[in-house]
Amino acid sequence: GAVVSQHPSWVICKSGTSVKIECRSLDFQATTMFWYRQFPKQSLMLMATSNEGSKATYEQGVEKDKFLINHASLTLSTLTVTSAHPEDSSFYICSAEGTSGGDARQFFGPGTRLTVL
Amino acid sequence: GQQVMQIPQYQHVQEGEDFTTYCNSSTTLSNIQWYKQRPGGHPVFLIQLVKSGEVKKQKRLTFQFGEAKKNSSLHITATQTTDVGTYFCAGHQGKLIFGQGTTLQVKP
Repeated sequence: GAVVSQHPSWVICKSGTSVKIECRSLDFQATTMFWYRQFPKQSLMLMATSNEGSKATYEQGVEKDKFLINHASLTLSTLTVTSAHPEDSSFYICSAEGTSGGDARQFFGPGTRLTVL
Repeated sequence: GQQVMQIPQYQHVQEGEDFTTYCNSSTTLSNIQWYKQRPGGHPVFLIQLVKSGEVKKQKRLTFQFGEAKKNSSLHITATQTTDVGTYFCAGHQGKLIFGQGTTLQVKP
């Protein structure tokens, strides 16, 4: 149980285009989902917290107008990278809050590798 | 702000040697989690520690949570080549703050 999927797993796009990444909780409902970014050889950095039915909370330094987050249902959150540029190339990972074995924690998706040419 | 420091950044060991990575938080944590990420892969959850002074074992891996719930360690006994990867701790205090990770290389 507590499986999170992401789509697509990788994407290559041209500079200036927008890319949408989907994060789904497959067998549980998640009021809260999180979006992280990981640059090569670096750690995961929280970008934003996505709450179903309300606006996302962005971490300091993350542009909300560039990284649009929509959490319209209890099983789906989307991250849209608008007007992507090469410096946005990164590994984007989502997670969803759920429980397993009585412990509440975040369950991570497999990530989406974005390359902007 | 909240920080989780992890050391060492890299560790090269001979197969069969032990390995330890340490995490320290600037604030008291509600829990700490450990993840392993293989090259080209995504972080995979290993364990969550919640209680002060908690110790948990998974085969050759031993996880500890400090009494003050500010530090934690992961110890691998008798490393194998399959242990290669980057190990991240992540402290939870309202949100998950990841350490910088320790990349383990194991020479056969």
